[in-house]
Amino acid sequence: ETGVTQTPRHLVMGMTNKKSLKCEQHLGHNAMYWYKQSAKKPLELMFVYNFKEQTENNSVPSRFSPECPNSSHLFLHLHTLQPEDSALYLCASSQQTGLAQETQYFGPGTRLLVL
Amino acid sequence: SQQGEEDPQALSIQEGENATMNCSYKTSINNLQWYRQNSGRGLVHLILIRSNEREKHSGRLRVTLDTSKKSSSLLITASRAADTASYFCAAGGTSYGKLTFGQGTILTVHP
Repeated sequence: ETGVTQTPRHLVMGMTNKKSLKCEQHLGHNAMYWYKQSAKKPLELMFVYNFKEQTENNSVPSRFSPECPNSSHLFLHLHTLQPEDSALYLCASSQQTGLAQETQYFGPGTRLLVL
Repeated sequence: SQQGEEDPQALSIQEGENATMNCSYKTSINNLQWYRQNSGRGLVHLILIRSNEREKHSGRLRVTLDTSKKSSSLLITASRAADTASYFCAAGGTSYGKLTFGQGTILTVHP
């Protein structure tokens, strides 16, 4: 256990559905991240939040909408997704972005399938 | 530009053998990290080496860093079947501490 939990672990949704992914960290960290992991591609950073403020949006389509109500919780709201959005979505946290040496702690991921 | 490209893409060895994975990156780094991922799971941090360090050990892991060649290697000694996983290097940038991951090496250790 890394101290980062994600729900649900698996999600199947149609292209017209709206769903949300949830991430919670119990480590007292101030930075949280969303990554997308597709087959045969490097891990892609999507969003970064630092002290609840979004500090990075890596040109992510607007059908992905993040929300960070506090430093412990991070959501990814999904709507009108495409089949190519099917992937493993990983949440991570770290002490704080901008520190010289940052180790990230990852959740187990949500396996998303868009039909 | 992409950082952290691993080589080889896949490695298959017998238990007890050593496994060496290499990583190259393109721009200046603050640190280089290695992570492990079991199939379909989250990543687990293994070891971090700072840009001013050349070698670091942790248990059966040995990491080297050559900043002049912009490369790093991860050596797992006396491998076990439980070491079967994907291994990723991640370059820690100098600006925000953001990590850029490579595509990973899939290691299979046969009992």
